[in-house]
Amino acid sequence: AQTVTQSQPEMSVQEAETVTLSCTYDTSESDYYLFWYKQPPSRQMILVIRQEAYKQQNATENRFSVNFQKAAKSFSLKISDSQLGDAAMYFCAYRVLSGANNLFFGTGTRLTVIP
Amino acid sequence: KAGVTQTPRYLIKTRGQQVTLSCSPISGHRSVSWYQQTPGQGLQFLFEYFSETQRNKGNFPGRFSGRQFSNSRSEMNVSTLELGDSALYLCASSSGPGLGTEAFFGQGTRLTVV
Repeated sequence: AQTVTQSQPEMSVQEAETVTLSCTYDTSESDYYLFWYKQPPSRQMILVIRQEAYKQQNATENRFSVNFQKAAKSFSLKISDSQLGDAAMYFCAYRVLSGANNLFFGTGTRLTVIP
Repeated sequence: KAGVTQTPRYLIKTRGQQVTLSCSPISGHRSVSWYQQTPGQGLQFLFEYFSETQRNKGNFPGRFSGRQFSNSRSEMNVSTLELGDSALYLCASSSGPGLGTEAFFGQGTRLTVV
């Protein structure tokens, strides 16, 4: 069974500093996608970044980057130059490459940005 | 391009009643998935519809059902509501199952069962 674990219920970061959110997952599949979603108080889930498991290069999107360690089944999110608007719940999610389209989510990390 | 629209945004129902939630996906998207979000259980997958057919179903009782119409709009229904059904229900749309299809979420329907 696929499981996604986020061991940090809450994190805080000073504005303009860097923070790393952790995520581990368990799967017997060899091909899959990993995602980080952000859920601000508006409740809408917004995709932050996506990583294909078959790609060795870590994904980056502006200030957001991931450290994907396939053998360790680890997928951490690094936010650089943190901004007040980054404050939100962050969810790590997994999806198989083909077939079932559903996402498996972690329990989330609440990120607070301190001005 | 309009995003995913969920209606209503808020609902208050009484135990034993039934409720229907609606989701209009992004134009051109044919896949709609539903998720339940609660503080205790987190985000859990309910079901997925593609081209009016249920493709996949999560581990929820038969009181939870859904359907998809020919215009890809989807509804989910919960019958005989229980207090534990109080949750945020999120709908996600994507172009379809397969490689690289990103899921776009609506703002959810907050259901409170009293």
